[in-house]
Amino acid sequence: GQQLNQSPQSMFIQEGEDVSMNCTSSSIFNTWLWYKQDPGEGPVLLIALYKAGELTSNGRLTAQFGITRKDSFLNISASIPSDVGIYFCAGQGFGTDSNYQLIWGAGTKLIIKP
Amino acid sequence: EADIYQTPRYLVIGTGKKITLECSQTMGHDKMYWYQQDPGMELHLIHYSYGVNSTEKGDLSSESTVSRIRTEHFPLTLESARPSHTSQYLCASSDSEGGRTEAFFGQGTRLTVV
Repeated sequence: GQQLNQSPQSMFIQEGEDVSMNCTSSSIFNTWLWYKQDPGEGPVLLIALYKAGELTSNGRLTAQFGITRKDSFLNISASIPSDVGIYFCAGQGFGTDSNYQLIWGAGTKLIIKP
Repeated sequence: EADIYQTPRYLVIGTGKKITLECSQTMGHDKMYWYQQDPGMELHLIHYSYGVNSTEKGDLSSESTVSRIRTEHFPLTLESARPSHTSQYLCASSDSEGGRTEAFFGQGTRLTVV
């Protein structure tokens, strides 16, 4: 079945630093989504990508749909304390088995050093 | 903002009890999902529905059952709760119109079985 690898697993950063995380899949995806989850809450959609090469920004966040359709990255510029949380990527592949079902990464935990 | 609601937010219940976790959405989405997530870990799909009277099991085996009698309502039931069912349960919905697959999540129900 389709697999999705998300890295890094966790990141310790200083406030003000830029952050980068990525996801790669074992097969071609037609959709990449990035979510953020705060403790005790449900994931919140940050950015949705639907075309290969697409680069989309949402405030300090920028995400790109890789040209090969097998990867995506999320960048956060000038991190602030409220950026702390777990970031998940999710993708949807092709084929009847994958219709409307998302494949999820294991998450990247962002921690800001005191 | 997504309009999807889960109740209760927190539930502590004894072993052997029957419980129902409620999920409702007011967006008219045809697709709804239940995920199980341990704290800080990845999401596992346990049930999904593509419309009224349509339910399927997800990738992670679960002893829970679901029903979809109305578009807006997708409750999850555990006939006999066990400590191994302790987890966070997240409900989500999506609208396939236009080919989009963005899922919107509720705040989750944190279940503890003692």
